[in-house]
Amino acid sequence: QKEVEQDPGPLSVPEGAIVSLNCTYSNSAFQYFMWYRQYSRKGPELLMYTYSSGNKEDGRFTAQVDKSSKYISLFIRDSQPSDSATYLCAMYIQGAQKLVFGQGTRLTINP
Amino acid sequence: DTGVSQNPRHKITKRGQNVTFRCDPISEHNRLYWYRQTLGQGPEFLTYFQNEAQLEKSRLLSDRFSAERPKGSFSTLEIQRTEQGDSAMYLCASSVTIGTSGGPGDTQYFGPGTRLTVL
Repeated sequence: QKEVEQDPGPLSVPEGAIVSLNCTYSNSAFQYFMWYRQYSRKGPELLMYTYSSGNKEDGRFTAQVDKSSKYISLFIRDSQPSDSATYLCAMYIQGAQKLVFGQGTRLTINP
Repeated sequence: DTGVSQNPRHKITKRGQNVTFRCDPISEHNRLYWYRQTLGQGPEFLTYFQNEAQLEKSRLLSDRFSAERPKGSFSTLEIQRTEQGDSAMYLCASSVTIGTSGGPGDTQYFGPGTRLTVL
């Protein structure tokens, strides 16, 4: 079993929809949680960064962490065609430094 | 552009050949990381440096792989006697870290990657 599980999709929604992306993890020692966006044949780009449990909002994006359930989410409001990309969750333990990624969810926003 | 840069962007080689990739991190970032990403998967950690010291290597990094960061600035990743299974995107990331234990500031910024195809 992988340390971080993420539904690979693909996920296709109409423009303007609310998108929910999720990851589960098995290692309770993870402390820092990120969401990266990766366009085709490009490197991952950091979208959101959260520490421990709680919510964080940045524009149309909201990240949620529920450490008791070992579950993290990314919500995208008013989705745009330019949001079409692969979304990767990632996490790490302070002191361990290496990021552990999910498989990535491929998202398409249809105009 | 002050982001992480990687060269070459694409490399096609024949099985058994050696290849070398270069990564230039963001200026003044003291940590540099290498990851490998295969099609449809998330990146997997290979190794990282703090300044010129290589502090951790994944078991994915076989004896055919070697990485260096000779002056604590750019880094190279060499693969000897390439195999078809080495075909992947090789990603470099950098971060600025205070001390050794890290913390909230350890955001890793990724380069565009080098796509390796072994024929």
